[in-house]
Amino acid sequence: DAGITQSPRHKVTETGTPVTLRCHQTENHRYMYWYRQDPGHGLRLIHYSYGVKDTDKGEVSDGYSVSRSKTEDFLLTLESATSSQTSVYFCAISRGGSTDTQYFGPGTRLTVL
Amino acid sequence: AQTVTQSQPEMSVQEAETVTLSCTYDTSESDYYLFWYKQPPSRQMILVIRQEAYKQQNATENRFSVNFQKAAKSFSLKISDSQLGDAAMYFCAYNRRDDKIIFGKGTRLHILP
Repeated sequence: DAGITQSPRHKVTETGTPVTLRCHQTENHRYMYWYRQDPGHGLRLIHYSYGVKDTDKGEVSDGYSVSRSKTEDFLLTLESATSSQTSVYFCAISRGGSTDTQYFGPGTRLTVL
Repeated sequence: AQTVTQSQPEMSVQEAETVTLSCTYDTSESDYYLFWYKQPPSRQMILVIRQEAYKQQNATENRFSVNFQKAAKSFSLKISDSQLGDAAMYFCAYNRRDDKIIFGKGTRLHILP
């Protein structure tokens, strides 16, 4: 298994509060991704990173920001959480970009009340 | 825009039988990659098989094989000798080099003992 951890694994928060999810890898892979998974939508890309301090938006980036100050860590921040951001969030990594195999973390279940 | 369609939201198969999951995609590109990912109840996303569009030979991994029909834009997954551990959600995905991966909405596969 690829060395990817996500924290926290579960979180319940209230509308309007900021939330930060952390993805940590031990593989030294260049590319990291954040997805959300919702029933009926499959996985949708939020943001991705192609190197330290290099990030770009995905399909559903509104309301989310990311940061990558170290190769091993990729943070996803919900600046002001809304109920529509209740979801399961997955981090993924790949060595050679999105055409390469992606290895996924265990997911974080976020509930916004 | 590229799309990925999995027309079967749910399927069931008897243990030890063979099942085929369908996936079609829409693209005007000639160079791209296709994937099948498995998500068991543990929620962990696991790569099942990867196909490069320029390769005519269908990819295989043990009991898993694909039927890649490039002209028809079809990428079905065949699971032979189905086992209880194959029960999962299966996602088809498409990616073009330097682009973001696009996932289908998934097919939930049940294995009947």
